[in-house]
Amino acid sequence: SAVISQKPSRDICQRGTSLTIQCQVDSQVTMMFWYRQQPGQSLTLIATANQGSEATYESGFVIDKFPISRPNLTFSTLTVSNMSPEDSSIYLCSVEDVSRIGEAFFGQGTRLTVV
Amino acid sequence: AQSVSQHNHHVILSEAASLELGCNYSYGGTVNLFWYVQYPGQHLQLLLKYFSGDPLVKGIKGFEAEFIKSKFSFNLRKPSVQWSDTAEYFCAVNVGYGGSQGNLIFGKGTKLSVKP
Repeated sequence: SAVISQKPSRDICQRGTSLTIQCQVDSQVTMMFWYRQQPGQSLTLIATANQGSEATYESGFVIDKFPISRPNLTFSTLTVSNMSPEDSSIYLCSVEDVSRIGEAFFGQGTRLTVV
Repeated sequence: AQSVSQHNHHVILSEAASLELGCNYSYGGTVNLFWYVQYPGQHLQLLLKYFSGDPLVKGIKGFEAEFIKSKFSFNLRKPSVQWSDTAEYFCAVNVGYGGSQGNLIFGKGTKLSVKP
């Protein structure tokens, strides 16, 4: 199983600013995934990040709002840009064990509050 | 669009009570089914999964789930809960044969509180 470290674990930010969330994995993985969990809602996939290529965004999410970097096989960042209170959520980084298709491993998440 | 429904938002039980958490999905094709659990202050982790074979699957800590294809359901059960089972439980479906994690669809979660 993969061990995933996410930073920061929580933050309170002013509207209009940006926050970059870091995700570090203890092993090399092909794909990394970023999810959002809004209060009282299910986890929603934001995008899939492959090393060496642009991230693939799900419907409703755009690169200008959620730019993602994937510089190597163990690291990724998600930036929440020009934040508004509606961006207050838990953001989760996740990877997939290629030997267990569809099974996900998660970081502890970043609890973001925008004021 | 595919969706996953968890019927209970918050369940409160006393220790030793039996547990059943409902999960229904809407997708007519091949699915892989999961239950994830998030204990307070910890990350989401896999509780059990169903890919194929025996529709009754057993997971960690005495949990089990039954896949009933005709009812599009994958309910989670435990005959006797403990205080340490207090957590949030998420049902998830991966649609399509051999689908990657990118196809995971989660329910809204059920918070379980077990009173000692």
